[in-house]
Amino acid sequence: GDSVTQMEGPVTLSEEAFLTINCTYTATGYPSLFWYVQYPGEGLQLLLKATKADDKGSNKGFEATYRKETTSFHLEKGSVQVSDSAVYFCALSGAGNNRKLIWGLGTSLAVNP
Amino acid sequence: DAGVIQSPRHEVTEMGQEVTLRCKPISGHNSLFWYRQTMMRGLELLIYFNNNVPIDDSGMPEDRFSAKMPNASFSTLKIQPSEPRDSAVYFCASSLGGTTNQPQHFGDGTRLSIL
Repeated sequence: GDSVTQMEGPVTLSEEAFLTINCTYTATGYPSLFWYVQYPGEGLQLLLKATKADDKGSNKGFEATYRKETTSFHLEKGSVQVSDSAVYFCALSGAGNNRKLIWGLGTSLAVNP
Repeated sequence: DAGVIQSPRHEVTEMGQEVTLRCKPISGHNSLFWYRQTMMRGLELLIYFNNNVPIDDSGMPEDRFSAKMPNASFSTLKIQPSEPRDSAVYFCASSLGGTTNQPQHFGDGTRLSIL
């Protein structure tokens, strides 16, 4: 079945460092791919998405490119801030008309000043 | 615009008691999802509805859990009787139907503690 694999955390970086959080997937068909972010004490919120191969999603300085050849959707940011400290989830849409999302386990990011 | 509204935000109760969690989805959204999040198991989908009809309840842990969506603007998740292992944060999310690339919008969750 469809699945999402994220790199394990926690990831700890200094402010202004470069961030990469790896996400790979297995899926039938052509899913849409998502990154969600969860700040402490809050629900998840959509960070960015890509709906077809080679699409690049971007938001708040974060980017991810839908790579069909490597089945990947890695999240990157050139210069992280303390306010980026959160848990990041990679997800893909289910097959057909299924509205379910298949979720990764989440990667915790801590950015130190 | 109002987002997904969940109540209560926190609930502490003794084991054996009935617990009811409530959710109001975003107006116009026709898919609704209930999730449970714990440190041990991460984010788990319990059930989801499309146009008020339960589509997939395979994630509901056992018969003690039940969910209803009597209309497009309200859903409940009930646990009866509650047990300490049900302690978790429960999230409700909604999305606009039509295609599978629609994102889900989450509420702030209900933090449930069963003593």
